[in-house]
Amino acid sequence: QSVLTQPPSVSGAPGQRVTISCTGSSSNIGAGYDVHWYQLVPGTAPRLLIYGNNNRPSGVPDRFSGSKSGTSASLAITGLQADDEAVFFCQCYDNSLGGSRLFGGGTRLTVL
Amino acid sequence: QVQLVQSGAEVKKPGSSVKVSCKTSGGAFSTYAINWVRQAPGQGLEWMGGIIPIFVTADYAQKFRDRVTITADETTSTVYIELSSLRYEDTALYFCARGVAAATASFDDWGQGTLVTVSS
Repeated sequence: QSVLTQPPSVSGAPGQRVTISCTGSSSNIGAGYDVHWYQLVPGTAPRLLIYGNNNRPSGVPDRFSGSKSGTSASLAITGLQADDEAVFFCQCYDNSLGGSRLFGGGTRLTVL
Repeated sequence: QVQLVQSGAEVKKPGSSVKVSCKTSGGAFSTYAINWVRQAPGQGLEWMGGIIPIFVTADYAQKFRDRVTITADETTSTVYIELSSLRYEDTALYFCARGVAAATASFDDWGQGTLVTVSS
């Protein structure tokens, strides 16, 4: 069971805005470590969407944004498009268990 | 343009070992971290460990510490992961991922994935 908790699924109509939450604890997000977000389309390699809580790599549209507060982080996607359908994962360093890189359980986005 | 190219699919028997490679090109090798992440069927992503080639010593997730070895060959810019005592539940897609050499950094570039199937 992931120590970073994400909702299993979210959905929205084209053009709408959705948010995906990622809830951690005092040993990871709450300790101030950066949160990163990835998009995974079946059959392809994961793609980095957001790094360092709210930064977009080159090539990622500004429809994707990230935020962090306390022990939680969020990914927001505006102007939903059909090809946004994927599974989204948050990731953060955790200082317990000898140090580890944790992933959330993943959230499946469905564009209605 | 950084590229990570992984070795091909493997089918292994329970109790055996598998070694997967990840050849990098297009960027510095020794001073970046190469991590290994796997995805079992229907499951999420799981970090297994990583290495910064210039430091030689790898860092492992506690769950895999007694079964995983990650090594780097600077002459060929290739990182390897070897998983021993394979179990059926090790069947997964294994990815290598490159990032800045810091434990808190993101995984910026990814290999295409290597399917490892454990079957008798």
